[in-house]
Amino acid sequence: QVQLVQSGAEVKKPGASVKVSCKSSGYTFNDYHMHWVRQAPGQGLEWMGWIRSKSGGTDYAQRFQGRVTMTRDTSISTTYMEVTWLRSDDTAVYYCARGVGATTSLDYWGQGTLVTVSS
Amino acid sequence: SYVLTQPPSVSVAPGKTASITCGGYNIGSKSVHWYQQKPGQAPVLVIYYDSDRPSGIPERFSGSKSGNTATLTISRVEVEDEADYYCHVWDRSSGQVFGTGTQVTVL
Repeated sequence: QVQLVQSGAEVKKPGASVKVSCKSSGYTFNDYHMHWVRQAPGQGLEWMGWIRSKSGGTDYAQRFQGRVTMTRDTSISTTYMEVTWLRSDDTAVYYCARGVGATTSLDYWGQGTLVTVSS
Repeated sequence: SYVLTQPPSVSVAPGKTASITCGGYNIGSKSVHWYQQKPGQAPVLVIYYDSDRPSGIPERFSGSKSGNTATLTISRVEVEDEADYYCHVWDRSSGQVFGTGTQVTVL
């Protein structure tokens, strides 16, 4: 069965960086892209960007460009999302979610990783 | 940037029908997907490509689109359907866009 398992919760200080991992299993890793979506407490879903698993090509939402980097390691079917220069409003649950192409749905989601930014 | 507008909340009695709308410019030309999210859980896909239902999703969930509005309909609502629901499209300029979300309360 398809599974996306994310790394555990993180607590960071403002200005620090955080790197969240998402390990895929149960499907051919290179056949799907991986999106990252975050959700601040009590708020809605916000798309951050996506990475093409086979090529490593990325597209980031405009507001995250320059501060977010998505990478992958195909040898271990794992995708990473790093956010730099963390601010308190980056406190959120971060999800990875699988997709096939730009217009397709996100059919499987990770369990989420809570990142708390606090001094 | 592209915006998808949903009503903040919808209330429905058990056994009745709930309709959740999602409005956006030229949404008729886009593929619309819908997700259900229960408290403390990750979103779950309930409708894709406007009206298709993933395996395991009850037939009570259906999707449609007309003009500048997409609609998620939950027929014969059950208590377990109480959740937040989000629509989702891809926009060439904005990328992936999620709706503002609708909280469904089963009275």
